[in-house]
Amino acid sequence: EDQVTQSPEALRLQEGESSSLNCSYTVSGLRGLFWYRQDPGKGPEFLFTLYSAGEEKEKERLKATLTKKESFLHITAPKPEDSATYLCAVQGAGGTSYGKLTFGQGTILTVHP
Amino acid sequence: NAGVTQTPKFRVLKTGQSMTLLCAQDMNHEYMYWYRQDPGMGLRLIHYSVGEGTTAKGEVPDGYNVSRLKKQNFLLGLESAAPSQTSVYFCASSYSRDLPSHGYTFGSGTRLTVV
Repeated sequence: EDQVTQSPEALRLQEGESSSLNCSYTVSGLRGLFWYRQDPGKGPEFLFTLYSAGEEKEKERLKATLTKKESFLHITAPKPEDSATYLCAVQGAGGTSYGKLTFGQGTILTVHP
Repeated sequence: NAGVTQTPKFRVLKTGQSMTLLCAQDMNHEYMYWYRQDPGMGLRLIHYSVGEGTTAKGEVPDGYNVSRLKKQNFLLGLESAAPSQTSVYFCASSYSRDLPSHGYTFGSGTRLTVV
């Protein structure tokens, strides 16, 4: 069974203070690891997909990396508007029959001005 | 371009009442999913559908039923609501089981409270 664990549960940063969010996963045959951003009262919004160890993707102040056991979402010089819940999800080989994603619990990021 | 639309956005039910949550997508997606999101639990799959007329159980199906009579609509029913079903419900869709680079397209959610 695919499992995803995110840490920390909550993270408070000062504006400009860089940090990283962790997503540890156990999956049989990784087909893709997805990062989403979720604002209060809204549905998850896609950020990145990573497919193989060593892969990296960037978007503005965010950079996602992937190893065989975990993924990191690095936030460089964050701004208050980066405050949100960040979700990590995986699709394993067992989920490819119906496109299932397994989600972690999320990390609540708060960036103070 | 509406994407995935969920109705209603909010609802309060009394224990034992029934209701139906509607999910509609206009992207001609084959695959549709219902998840629930609870604090500290992440998103958990309730039921899913791989095409019109098909439904299947996910991780937490007890107390829920679903139907997909039309390709664009996926309905989630609660026959006799319980306080444990208080949650935020998300519908999602995908064109195929080989998820595109952005995974699912999500609706904006339905916040359900059962008192």
